[in-house]
Amino acid sequence: KQEVTQIPAALSVPEGENLVLNCSFTDSAIYNLQWFRQDPGKGLTSLLLIQSSQREQTSGRLNASLDKSSGRSTLYIAASQPGDSATYLCAVTTGNQFYFGTGTSLTVIP
Amino acid sequence: GAVVSQHPSRVICKSGTSVKIECRSLDFQATTMFWYRQFPKQSLMLMATSNEGSKATYEQGVEKDKFLVNHASLTLSTLTVTSAHPEDSSFYICSATTGANSGNTIYFGEGSWLTVV
Repeated sequence: KQEVTQIPAALSVPEGENLVLNCSFTDSAIYNLQWFRQDPGKGLTSLLLIQSSQREQTSGRLNASLDKSSGRSTLYIAASQPGDSATYLCAVTTGNQFYFGTGTSLTVIP
Repeated sequence: GAVVSQHPSRVICKSGTSVKIECRSLDFQATTMFWYRQFPKQSLMLMATSNEGSKATYEQGVEKDKFLVNHASLTLSTLTVTSAHPEDSSFYICSATTGANSGNTIYFGEGSWLTVV
């Protein structure tokens, strides 16, 4: 069964710092990997989707990479801002179902 | 783009009562819908998979008599938490897909926060 792990569980950084969130998965036979953001009391917001044939995707200050063979993905956030404070979830699909990581709670200190 | 609407976004109910959460696909026919639950500081966990017109498939450990999933039409699935208890307080989110083939795009609702008092 697919297992998705995210490290670290929590991260606190000063404003302006660049940071990397990590995601690993046990079954490399995935169709795509997606990064989500979840604000307290809110739903999920999709940030980036990487198809299994792709190695990275970029959107603004966000860059996500995928190394399917090693079962790893990273989410890079450049020049972090207080508004980036949220929980970040990665999820992989091996079919029609998503398998979610445990999330990384990010706090950006002004 | 495709939108999945979930309602209500927040609900507070008394212990022992039942609450229904709706998940609607607004501009596409969702043959398959999924229901997830997230406890505080934990990841989202799949509860059940529903296909239009057939009985839902529940994940191990999910009480099918307590969490009733119905997929009555190609645009609507409902999750009913029966005889809710405070430990059922959680974030529930649905997702919907257009087909049964692997790799089909899956769209998420915005989630529903349930508080049982």
